[in-house]
Amino acid sequence: AQSVTQPDIHITVSEGASLELRCNYSYGATPYLFWYVQSPGQGLQLLLKYFSGDTLVQGIKGFEAEFKRSQSSFNLRKPSVHWSDAAEYFCAVGGRVGDTGRRALTFGSGTRLQVQP
Amino acid sequence: GAGVSQSPSNKVTEKGKDVELRCDPISGHTALYWYRQRLGQGLEFLIYFQGNSAPDKSGLPSDRFSAERTGESVSTLTIQRTQQEDSAVYLCASSYTGTGNQPQHFGDGTRLSIL
Repeated sequence: AQSVTQPDIHITVSEGASLELRCNYSYGATPYLFWYVQSPGQGLQLLLKYFSGDTLVQGIKGFEAEFKRSQSSFNLRKPSVHWSDAAEYFCAVGGRVGDTGRRALTFGSGTRLQVQP
Repeated sequence: GAGVSQSPSNKVTEKGKDVELRCDPISGHTALYWYRQRLGQGLEFLIYFQGNSAPDKSGLPSDRFSAERTGESVSTLTIQRTQQEDSAVYLCASSYTGTGNQPQHFGDGTRLSIL
């Protein structure tokens, strides 16, 4: 069964500092990987996705993520954080899950980002 | 509309009452998902619809929960005899297909509060 681990529940960075949010996955085949952001009171917005090819993917709002198969990781990065980036970030892996083999996303438990002025 | 639409945005009800939550997916999206998000937690899968196939109900927490979808359009999630532990944000998402490699597009959710 596929699973996603986001080891950091809460991260605080200063505005203008760099950011890296960790994501580790478990999946038996080539994974489809996603990062979503959730602002308070809103649904989830897709930041970026990885299906195949170049292991460094660019997303919206200046975010990027790097797929490292050897480490089963898909960490999210941003070189300079803005106050508006404060939100909850979810990593997800797509594929077949559960006993039914349904195709869906499995989400990590999220990392809450605080940005200090 | 261009995105996934959910209604109501907020619902407050008394314990024991039934509630119905609505999701209007993006036009043309064959796959539709319901998730529950408890305060400060991640997303918990509830149910998945894919085209005209039988829905995957493996995530429904009890028989008080049910959902329907008419064709590839609107879906309703019904919770009967609500309990306080049902308080959460219920999120709906749709994707073009259900192949697992398609990004899911989320609505803003329905915040359900059980008194």
